[in-house]
Amino acid sequence: EVQLVEAGGGLVQPGRSLRLSCTAAGFTFGDYGVSWFRKAPGKGLEWVGFIRSKAYGETTEYAASVRGRFTISRDDSKSIAYLQMASLKTEDTAVYYCSRDILWVRKGYDYWGQGTLVTVSS
Amino acid sequence: DVVMTQSPDSLAVSLGERATINCKSSRSVLNSSNNKNYLAWYQQKPGQPPKLLIYWASTRESGVPDRFSGSGSGTDFTLTISSLQAEDVAVYYCQQFYTTPETFGQGTEVEIK
Repeated sequence: EVQLVEAGGGLVQPGRSLRLSCTAAGFTFGDYGVSWFRKAPGKGLEWVGFIRSKAYGETTEYAASVRGRFTISRDDSKSIAYLQMASLKTEDTAVYYCSRDILWVRKGYDYWGQGTLVTVSS
Repeated sequence: DVVMTQSPDSLAVSLGERATINCKSSRSVLNSSNNKNYLAWYQQKPGQPPKLLIYWASTRESGVPDRFSGSGSGTDFTLTISSLQAEDVAVYYCQQFYTTPETFGQGTEVEIK
């Protein structure tokens, strides 16, 4: 069974850092890209960024709102992707989700984690 | 950025009736190399992650009831729920994954009339 589990959320002060993880199971993690999304309270879904698989260069792309502050990485040996968030702002408060991207047949995002809540507040 | 605009913002439909949601992209999301529209529809219920319903504008994801259908190409797309059920109450989003940044519509809230 395909599973994605996010962890690492919590309450953090503005300007501080936090690292989220996305642990995968039930599929060959290294073959897939991983995207991060977020949903802020009362707002819609927002794409945060993604990391391609090693076969696709392990390249990353980010939304303008987080570029330069957030970094996505992956450890295929552990089937984990990370979202390192720095210089956090109150507007980064959201539930963060990870999802897998089938890079060779792009069809949207078929499996998602349950999400982890990040609250940025003093 | 490709701007995705959904209409309406909210929709109240009687049980068993049809619900129609529209999505318009600011530019084409048709991949000419494979003739596929890189447009997906998701359903999100409170406290749950999004669920993929439709991809390539009109291909139903495995396990999704056939009352859900998608249509359109280029810049104009539609999600139709042919006979609304109580469990379909949710917010629905369209998403383009043709180019980065990948973008979503603002969401359409569907409720029972």
